[in-house]
Amino acid sequence: GAVVSQHPSRVICKSGTSVKIECRSLDFQATTMFWYRQFPKQSLMLMATSNEGSKATYEQGVEKDKFLINHASLTLSTLTVTSAHPEDSSFYICSARDHRVAETQYFGPGTRLLVL
Amino acid sequence: KQEVTQIPAALSVPEGENLVLNCSFTDSAIYNLQWFRQDHGKGLTSLLLIQSSQREQTSGRLNASLDKSSGRSTLYIAASQPGDSATYLCAVRRNTDKLIFGTGTRLQVFP
Repeated sequence: GAVVSQHPSRVICKSGTSVKIECRSLDFQATTMFWYRQFPKQSLMLMATSNEGSKATYEQGVEKDKFLINHASLTLSTLTVTSAHPEDSSFYICSARDHRVAETQYFGPGTRLLVL
Repeated sequence: KQEVTQIPAALSVPEGENLVLNCSFTDSAIYNLQWFRQDHGKGLTSLLLIQSSQREQTSGRLNASLDKSSGRSTLYIAASQPGDSATYLCAVRRNTDKLIFGTGTRLQVFP
C-alpha cells in the first residue's frame, strides 16, 4: 500500500519551545492530509484537515494559533506546536488520502511528543 | 452526530481461534467504512475498506462485512496468530472528509 512518513518519530522538548512535525506521502500525491492526536488508550481525535495551497480547517476546540499547519506541496504537510506545554504531550499522527485507491486513508507512523 | 462504538473493548484468546470484532455506528448515511490495525505506540495500518455499496471485503485471513441499514460492521479474523495482537479500529466516513473513529478493540492472541 501507499506509504506516509513522519519526522521526527520522537521528540522531547522544554516547555515554551516550538516543535515542527513533518508528514510526507512518499509514493502518491495527497491534496488532503489530516492531523490527529491520540492520548494513551484512547482513539484518534481529528485536529485539522490540511489542504494543499489553502488554509487548514480546524476541528472545534483546537487552537489554530497553537497548532500551525502548512501544506505547501502535494506531498508535504507540517504541524508546528507553538509554545509547547506539558499538556501538549501526546502521540501525533498524520494521514493522507490517496485519491487513486477508492480514497483510502493511509497513516503515518506517528510522532511522540514529550514536553518537559 | 456520528458515534462509532466497538465491542468488545478488549479480547484475549488462544492461538488458532476464529474471532469476530464488532463495530456499530449511529448514522447509516456513510460513504465508506475502514478497518485499521494499530500496534502499540505505532501508527495505523489500513486493513480493509468497504464502500457503502458493498457488503464485504476480504484480504487473506480477514473478512469485513457491512450492514449499512443496521449500522454495523464486523471484522472476522480466521485462525488467529500471536502476530495479530494489536488494537483494531474501525472508522466511518460520511460525505465530508472526516473519518470518525471507533473506540477500538485491544486484541491479544497468546500461543
